[in-house]
Parts: sequence; structure tokens; C-alpha cells
Amino acid sequence: DAGVIQSPRHEVTEMGQEVTLRCKPISGHNSLFWYRQTMMRGLELLIYFNNNVPIDDSGMPEDRFSAKMPNASFSTLKIQPSEPRDSAVYFCASSVHTDTQYFGPGTRLTVL
Amino acid sequence: LAKTTQPISMDSYEGQEVNITCSHNNIATNDYITWYQQFPSQGPRFIIQGYKTKVTNEVASLFIPADRKSSTLSLPRVSLSDTAVYYCLVGDINFNKFYFGSGTKLNVKP
Repeated sequence: DAGVIQSPRHEVTEMGQEVTLRCKPISGHNSLFWYRQTMMRGLELLIYFNNNVPIDDSGMPEDRFSAKMPNASFSTLKIQPSEPRDSAVYFCASSVHTDTQYFGPGTRLTVL
Repeated sequence: LAKTTQPISMDSYEGQEVNITCSHNNIATNDYITWYQQFPSQGPRFIIQGYKTKVTNEVASLFIPADRKSSTLSLPRVSLSDTAVYYCLVGDINFNKFYFGSGTKLNVKP
């Protein structure tokens, strides 16, 4: 299995632009998580889906952030408009229900 | 969510046993304790999970006292490649929500 796949691996954009991060979970996994990691705040859970349905989005920082999971093999995290304080590494993870979470390699986002 | 407290950093030498202790005073009855490892520029990786007493796998051991207010991750005979950040998480696995905390940065020296 290829593991959790995230794209792009690096993204540099300018303030105000829309950013879309993509994630392909491990086949057969029914839970998907989006995390953000910064030096200041550490690793934060933004949202998680179970069977493509958002279960908990209390970690989403504000309305500029949105996440979708149109099917079991794909999810997106969108930031519109982006701001410099959104610069971070964004991780996607997947699991079989409540079992171990497997993390992707992350997307390093820089907003200028 | 039960929050966790870990040492910010630890130093060790190759071949030594390393014990990292995590405090979780507000752990709930349904909470499990999970440890993850993160190398630079990579996502966290699961190490071990337990509920009480002792759990051992091919990588580490996890010791949990009877009151479950703390836990200790034990890494036997560490090598340079064990240099990483180690996170202690506490949460109800049925709700899939965990607090990662700041982790412990382990530095293994030759």
C-alpha cells in the first residue's frame, strides 16, 4: 500500500489567494483527519471525517477554512483567502475507525 | 480532553534505555494512552497504545500505574535513529479525538 498521499508537498502562495490541499487516504480506511503543525501551537486536529461525513470540525480555526470528503478516497482542505498566519505543515491521516492513525508526509504551506 | 504533560526534551546515548514519562491527571475511564513518534519532515507514526498495566511490542514498552494518571514509554537500547519527538496522547478511542501536546524531543548522542 502506498500509504496516505498528500499533494502538493510544498505550496507557496501570496496572501489572499485560495489554497487547496489534497489527501488520498489508505484504501479501506473509513476515518480521515486533517491536522496543522506549527512551532508555536504544535500539532492541532482541525477536522475529522468518518465514512465521508464530518464528525468534529471544532478545530477549524475560522470560516476561511473548509474541508470536504466527496468520496472514500479523496479529501480536500481549502483556505480562502489565505493569510500569512496560515503558514504551517498540514497533515492528513487515516485510520480504520478507531484504530491507529496513519499520517501522510504533509504539505508545507507558506503564505507570503 | 485530558491534557498531557511531558518533558520538553531529553538527552541519551546510544545503547541506553530511555524512559519518557507523561502526566495525565484528568484521564477519564474510557481513555486510552497512545504514543507517537515524529521524525523531522515526516508525519507522526504510531508506537504503542495501552489502557492499564504494561504493554510491550517490538519497538517499545508502555507502563501504566494503577491510577492511570501517568504513563512511561520505555525504549530499550536506543540508537541515533531514535532521535525524534515523542508524543503522549490520551483520548477515548471511540471518539477518535486526541490531544497531541508539545511532545518530548529525544536527542540520542553517539
